Amino acid sequence: SQQGEEDPQALSIQEGENATMNCSYKTSINNLQWYRQNSGRGLVHLILIRSNEREKHSGRLRVTLDTSKKSSSLLITASRAADTASYFCATDLYSGNTPLVFGKGTRLSVIA
Amino acid sequence: SQTIHQWPATLVQPVGSPLSLECTVEGTSNPNLYWYRQAAGRGLQLLFYSVGIGQISSEVPQNLSASRPQDRQFILSSKKLLLSDSGFYLCAWSGTYTGELFFGEGSRLTVL
Repeated sequence: SQQGEEDPQALSIQEGENATMNCSYKTSINNLQWYRQNSGRGLVHLILIRSNEREKHSGRLRVTLDTSKKSSSLLITASRAADTASYFCATDLYSGNTPLVFGKGTRLSVIA
Repeated sequence: SQTIHQWPATLVQPVGSPLSLECTVEGTSNPNLYWYRQAAGRGLQLLFYSVGIGQISSEVPQNLSASRPQDRQFILSSKKLLLSDSGFYLCAWSGTYTGELFFGEGSRLTVL
Protein backbone atom coordinates (compact mmCIF):
# COMPACT_ATOMS: atom_id res chain seq x y z
CA SER A 1 0.00 0.00 0.00
CA GLN A 2 1.12 3.56 -0.53
CA GLN A 3 2.75 5.36 2.32
CA GLY A 4 3.90 8.82 3.16
CA GLU A 5 7.54 8.99 4.08
CA GLU A 6 8.65 11.84 6.28
CA ASP A 7 12.06 13.41 6.12
CA PRO A 8 14.10 13.90 8.23
CA GLN A 9 13.46 11.13 10.75
CA ALA A 10 14.63 13.42 13.54
CA LEU A 11 15.18 17.14 13.82
CA SER A 12 16.64 19.18 16.66
CA ILE A 13 16.44 22.97 16.69
CA GLN A 14 16.67 25.89 19.05
CA GLU A 15 13.60 27.68 20.32
CA GLY A 16 12.63 30.48 17.96
CA GLU A 17 13.96 28.76 14.85
CA ASN A 18 11.76 27.41 12.09
CA ALA A 19 11.26 23.68 11.63
CA THR A 20 10.60 22.12 8.24
CA MET A 21 9.48 18.55 7.73
CA ASN A 22 8.85 16.88 4.41
CA CYS A 23 6.57 14.10 3.29
CA SER A 24 6.67 12.14 0.03
CA TYR A 25 4.01 9.77 -1.21
CA LYS A 26 3.58 7.40 -4.11
CA THR A 27 0.17 7.64 -5.75
CA SER A 28 -2.56 10.19 -6.48
CA ILE A 29 -4.42 11.47 -3.46
CA ASN A 30 -7.49 13.44 -2.47
CA ASN A 31 -6.04 14.95 0.66
CA LEU A 32 -2.89 14.98 2.70
CA GLN A 33 -3.06 15.50 6.43
CA TRP A 34 -0.51 16.28 9.12
CA TYR A 35 -0.77 15.02 12.69
CA ARG A 36 1.17 15.63 15.86
CA GLN A 37 1.88 13.11 18.62
CA ASN A 38 3.24 14.01 22.01
CA SER A 39 5.21 11.21 23.62
CA GLY A 40 2.93 8.43 24.83
CA ARG A 41 -0.25 10.12 23.65
CA GLY A 42 -2.70 9.82 20.81
CA LEU A 43 -2.31 11.70 17.56
CA VAL A 44 -3.89 15.10 17.08
CA HIS A 45 -4.92 16.45 13.71
CA LEU A 46 -3.10 19.62 12.66
CA ILE A 47 -4.11 20.45 9.13
CA LEU A 48 -5.61 18.97 5.97
CA ILE A 49 -4.65 20.12 2.50
CA ARG A 50 -6.63 19.05 -0.53
CA SER A 51 -5.05 17.94 -3.77
CA ASN A 52 -6.20 21.12 -5.52
CA GLU A 53 -4.58 23.36 -2.90
CA ARG A 54 -0.93 24.38 -2.95
CA GLU A 55 -0.53 26.06 0.40
CA LYS A 56 -2.42 26.32 3.64
CA HIS A 57 -1.82 28.17 6.89
CA SER A 58 -2.98 27.61 10.44
CA GLY A 59 -1.41 29.81 13.10
CA ARG A 60 2.34 29.11 13.06
CA LEU A 61 1.88 26.17 10.68
CA ARG A 62 2.33 26.38 6.95
CA VAL A 63 1.74 23.38 4.74
CA THR A 64 2.57 23.14 1.06
CA LEU A 65 1.59 20.45 -1.40
CA ASP A 66 3.22 19.70 -4.75
CA THR A 67 1.20 17.01 -6.47
CA SER A 68 3.56 16.90 -9.44
CA LYS A 69 6.38 15.88 -7.12
CA LYS A 70 4.07 13.96 -4.77
CA SER A 71 5.45 15.80 -1.80
CA SER A 72 4.35 18.04 1.03
CA SER A 73 6.13 20.11 3.63
CA LEU A 74 5.15 21.27 7.09
CA LEU A 75 6.77 24.44 8.36
CA ILE A 76 6.51 25.45 12.01
CA THR A 77 7.62 29.03 12.46
CA ALA A 78 9.11 30.49 15.65
CA SER A 79 9.21 27.11 17.31
CA ARG A 80 8.64 26.65 21.01
CA ALA A 81 9.71 23.94 23.44
CA ALA A 82 6.06 22.85 23.53
CA ASP A 83 6.30 21.97 19.81
CA THR A 84 8.52 19.03 20.74
CA ALA A 85 6.65 16.00 19.39
CA SER A 86 6.50 13.57 16.49
CA TYR A 87 4.84 14.76 13.32
CA PHE A 88 3.19 12.44 10.82
CA CYS A 89 1.78 12.90 7.38
CA ALA A 90 -1.15 10.78 6.27
CA THR A 91 -2.48 10.21 2.79
CA ASP A 92 -5.57 8.70 1.32
CA LEU A 93 -6.02 7.11 -2.07
CA TYR A 94 -7.62 9.02 -4.91
CA SER A 95 -10.50 6.57 -4.89
CA GLY A 96 -11.36 7.81 -1.42
CA ASN A 97 -12.59 4.44 -0.21
CA THR A 98 -9.68 3.28 1.89
CA PRO A 99 -8.31 4.42 5.25
CA LEU A 100 -5.50 6.89 5.69
CA VAL A 101 -1.97 5.55 5.61
CA PHE A 102 0.60 7.13 7.89
CA GLY A 103 4.31 7.62 7.47
CA LYS A 104 6.89 6.86 10.12
CA GLY A 105 7.05 10.43 11.34
CA THR A 106 9.61 13.09 12.14
CA ARG A 107 10.69 13.49 15.76
CA LEU A 108 11.11 17.17 16.46
CA SER A 109 13.01 18.38 19.49
CA VAL A 110 12.90 22.08 20.28
CA ILE A 111 15.57 23.09 22.77
CA ALA A 112 14.85 26.01 25.05
CA SER B 1 -19.07 17.29 21.10
CA GLN B 2 -17.52 14.01 20.12
CA THR B 3 -15.23 12.08 22.43
CA ILE B 4 -13.36 8.82 22.18
CA HIS B 5 -12.46 6.64 25.11
CA GLN B 6 -9.96 3.83 25.05
CA TRP B 7 -9.00 1.44 27.85
CA PRO B 8 -7.06 0.12 29.57
CA ALA B 9 -4.29 2.69 29.26
CA THR B 10 -1.57 0.27 30.28
CA LEU B 11 -1.47 -3.50 30.20
CA VAL B 12 1.23 -6.05 31.04
CA GLN B 13 0.36 -9.55 29.94
CA PRO B 14 2.22 -12.88 29.78
CA VAL B 15 2.78 -14.64 26.49
CA GLY B 16 -0.16 -16.85 25.63
CA SER B 17 -2.71 -14.87 27.61
CA PRO B 18 -5.83 -13.31 26.05
CA LEU B 19 -6.29 -9.64 25.24
CA SER B 20 -9.21 -7.29 25.09
CA LEU B 21 -8.87 -3.57 24.35
CA GLU B 22 -12.00 -1.48 24.16
CA CYS B 23 -12.82 1.75 22.45
CA THR B 24 -16.03 3.75 22.52
CA VAL B 25 -17.03 6.92 20.74
CA GLU B 26 -19.62 9.39 21.95
CA GLY B 27 -21.39 12.21 20.25
CA THR B 28 -21.56 10.82 16.73
CA SER B 29 -23.30 8.02 14.91
CA ASN B 30 -22.11 5.48 12.37
CA PRO B 31 -18.44 6.48 12.58
CA ASN B 32 -15.66 4.71 10.74
CA LEU B 33 -13.57 3.04 13.44
CA TYR B 34 -9.91 2.05 13.31
CA TRP B 35 -7.29 0.19 15.29
CA TYR B 36 -3.66 1.17 14.71
CA ARG B 37 -0.51 -0.22 16.31
CA GLN B 38 2.67 1.72 16.83
CA ALA B 39 5.91 -0.06 17.66
CA ALA B 40 8.49 1.89 19.66
CA GLY B 41 9.79 4.82 17.62
CA ARG B 42 7.89 3.70 14.54
CA GLY B 43 4.98 4.81 12.46
CA LEU B 44 1.39 3.69 12.65
CA GLN B 45 0.33 0.34 11.25
CA LEU B 46 -3.35 -0.02 10.43
CA LEU B 47 -4.67 -3.27 11.89
CA PHE B 48 -8.44 -3.17 11.43
CA TYR B 49 -11.15 -0.80 10.34
CA SER B 50 -14.91 -0.87 10.35
CA VAL B 51 -17.54 1.12 8.51
CA GLY B 52 -20.51 -0.36 10.37
CA ILE B 53 -21.72 -2.83 12.97
CA GLY B 54 -20.33 -6.28 12.30
CA GLN B 55 -18.25 -5.05 9.35
CA ILE B 56 -14.54 -5.56 9.95
CA SER B 57 -11.71 -5.24 7.47
CA SER B 58 -8.31 -6.61 8.35
CA GLU B 59 -5.14 -5.11 6.99
CA VAL B 60 -2.59 -7.42 8.54
CA PRO B 61 -3.13 -11.19 9.06
CA GLN B 62 -2.02 -12.05 12.57
CA ASN B 63 -3.33 -13.44 15.83
CA LEU B 64 -5.40 -10.34 16.56
CA SER B 65 -9.08 -9.87 15.81
CA ALA B 66 -11.54 -7.02 16.05
CA SER B 67 -15.25 -6.76 16.61
CA ARG B 68 -17.84 -4.03 16.48
CA PRO B 69 -20.79 -5.21 18.57
CA GLN B 70 -22.39 -1.77 18.71
CA ASP B 71 -22.31 1.27 16.47
CA ARG B 72 -19.80 3.17 18.59
CA GLN B 73 -17.87 0.32 20.20
CA PHE B 74 -14.75 -1.27 18.75
CA ILE B 75 -12.90 -4.11 20.47
CA LEU B 76 -9.47 -5.53 19.73
CA SER B 77 -8.87 -9.06 20.93
CA SER B 78 -6.42 -11.89 20.95
CA LYS B 79 -6.79 -15.44 22.22
CA LYS B 80 -3.06 -15.92 22.78
CA LEU B 81 -0.62 -13.02 22.88
CA LEU B 82 2.81 -13.17 21.32
CA LEU B 83 5.88 -11.16 22.32
CA SER B 84 5.60 -9.34 19.01
CA ASP B 85 2.16 -8.03 19.99
CA SER B 86 3.79 -5.55 22.36
CA GLY B 87 3.22 -1.98 21.30
CA PHE B 88 1.09 1.11 21.55
CA TYR B 89 -2.45 0.54 20.30
CA LEU B 90 -4.50 3.46 19.11
CA CYS B 91 -8.19 3.57 18.39
CA ALA B 92 -9.52 6.28 16.11
CA TRP B 93 -12.71 7.36 14.41
CA SER B 94 -13.62 9.44 11.41
CA GLY B 95 -16.74 10.52 9.60
CA THR B 96 -15.38 9.50 6.22
CA TYR B 97 -12.34 7.68 4.87
CA THR B 98 -10.70 10.91 3.75
CA GLY B 99 -11.66 13.08 6.69
CA GLU B 100 -9.90 13.97 9.87
CA LEU B 101 -9.09 11.14 12.27
CA PHE B 102 -9.77 11.54 15.97
CA PHE B 103 -7.58 9.37 18.17
CA GLY B 104 -7.96 7.95 21.63
CA GLU B 105 -5.17 8.27 24.16
CA GLY B 106 -3.80 4.83 23.40
CA SER B 107 -3.21 1.56 25.21
CA ARG B 108 0.33 0.48 25.91
CA LEU B 109 0.64 -3.31 25.85
CA THR B 110 3.71 -5.11 27.09
CA VAL B 111 3.84 -8.85 26.54
CA LEU B 112 6.38 -10.65 28.73
